[in-house]
Amino acid sequence: GAVVSQHPSRVICKSGTSVKIECRSLDFQATTMFWYRQFPKQSLMLMATSNEGSKATYEQGVEKDKFLINHASLTLSTLTVTSAHPEDSSFYICSASPDRPSTDTQYFGPGTRLTVL
Amino acid sequence: AQSVTQPDIHITVSEGASLELRCNYSYGATPYLFWYVQSPGQGLQLLLKYFSGDTLVQGIKGFEAEFKRSQSSFNLRKPSVHWSDAAEYFCAVGAGNNRKLIWGLGTSLAVNP
Repeated sequence: GAVVSQHPSRVICKSGTSVKIECRSLDFQATTMFWYRQFPKQSLMLMATSNEGSKATYEQGVEKDKFLINHASLTLSTLTVTSAHPEDSSFYICSASPDRPSTDTQYFGPGTRLTVL
Repeated sequence: AQSVTQPDIHITVSEGASLELRCNYSYGATPYLFWYVQSPGQGLQLLLKYFSGDTLVQGIKGFEAEFKRSQSSFNLRKPSVHWSDAAEYFCAVGAGNNRKLIWGLGTSLAVNP
């Protein structure tokens, strides 16, 4: 149980284009999901907290207009990297915390490797 | 300020040897503590967690961790390491009402045959 999927697992795009990454909780509902960014050989950096039915809460320094988050249902959150540039190349990871039972535990997706040319 | 420190950036052990990965935290309230493992090319997997109760927590893959409030520590241990345990290990503290995670920088574990 508590499986989280991400799609795509890997994407290459041209500079200036937008890329959408999906995060799904497969066997539980999650009002709250989280989006992280991980640089090589480094820890995870929380980008934003995604809340179903309301606006995401972004961490300081994360551009809201560049990283659009939509949490349209209790099992799906999307992250759209708009007008991507090479510096946006990174490993993006989502996590979800089950609503019931409320375990205060985050379960992670396998991540999406974004490369912007 | 809330923080998590993993003092060891990289550790190498021989297969079959015991392992202890250190984690120290700074948090004002009673912490929710987690250890996650990230294998190459894979996502983060929850090894174990501590919320309350028994301070010695058993996890998956033969791992355990002990919460020591007096030392603000939550060290991860395994009595006998397997080659498949080579991975990146992250300690994290759950903070705030929405339980955002505060992460350590991770410890990279290499296992010699």
